[in-house]
Amino acid sequence: NAGVMQNPRHLVRRRGQEARLRCSPMKGHSHVYWYRQLPEEGLKFMVYLQKENIIDESGMPKERFSAEFPKEGPSILRIQQVVRGDSAAYFCASSPSGQGEQFFGPGTRLTVL
Amino acid sequence: RKEVEQDPGPFNVPEGATVAFNCTYSNSASQSFFWYRQDCRKEPKLLMSVYSSGNEDGRFTAQLNRASQYISLLIRDSKLSDSATYLCVALLYNFNKFYFGSGTKLNVKP
Repeated sequence: NAGVMQNPRHLVRRRGQEARLRCSPMKGHSHVYWYRQLPEEGLKFMVYLQKENIIDESGMPKERFSAEFPKEGPSILRIQQVVRGDSAAYFCASSPSGQGEQFFGPGTRLTVL
Repeated sequence: RKEVEQDPGPFNVPEGATVAFNCTYSNSASQSFFWYRQDCRKEPKLLMSVYSSGNEDGRFTAQLNRASQYISLLIRDSKLSDSATYLCVALLYNFNKFYFGSGTKLNVKP
């Protein structure tokens, strides 16, 4: 059973470009969470999704950030018009039920030049 | 006040030592708890789940004290490979909310 997969593992963007981060949950998991981690800081919750639904986006910045988890395919975290402050590691986690353990992907390291 | 609070450390201990971390949570409705370890620049990995009063797995023991609203993690006979950041997590079932602490850093030295 493959674990949570994220791609790309490293992404470099120039200011003003768009960044798309993908997350494929573990097989059988329908709950996906996105977190951001700045260097030397803790995980910050961004958004929680189930298939085709955003359940909780209380941690998501109001502008430039969006997330989706379509019926088919991976979950996507999209950052428009990136700025240097968006540089961070973005982790995705999945859970089978939303009431048990979360399992994390290897993360995408975004660098904004 | 943060939902989950941890001492950031670092805890510097010699190999073979016993070390304990505490984690406090603010919401008494929290129902499940987890300890994750995170190595530098890697993803968090699940270490232990704590659903009732405690759990033990080899050298690792987690205990839950609901009256005082804290969870502890005890590591016996520390190994160099235990060096990592340990994250405490509280789960609120009703809201499917996971609250992560900022982590406690452990350095095990030879």
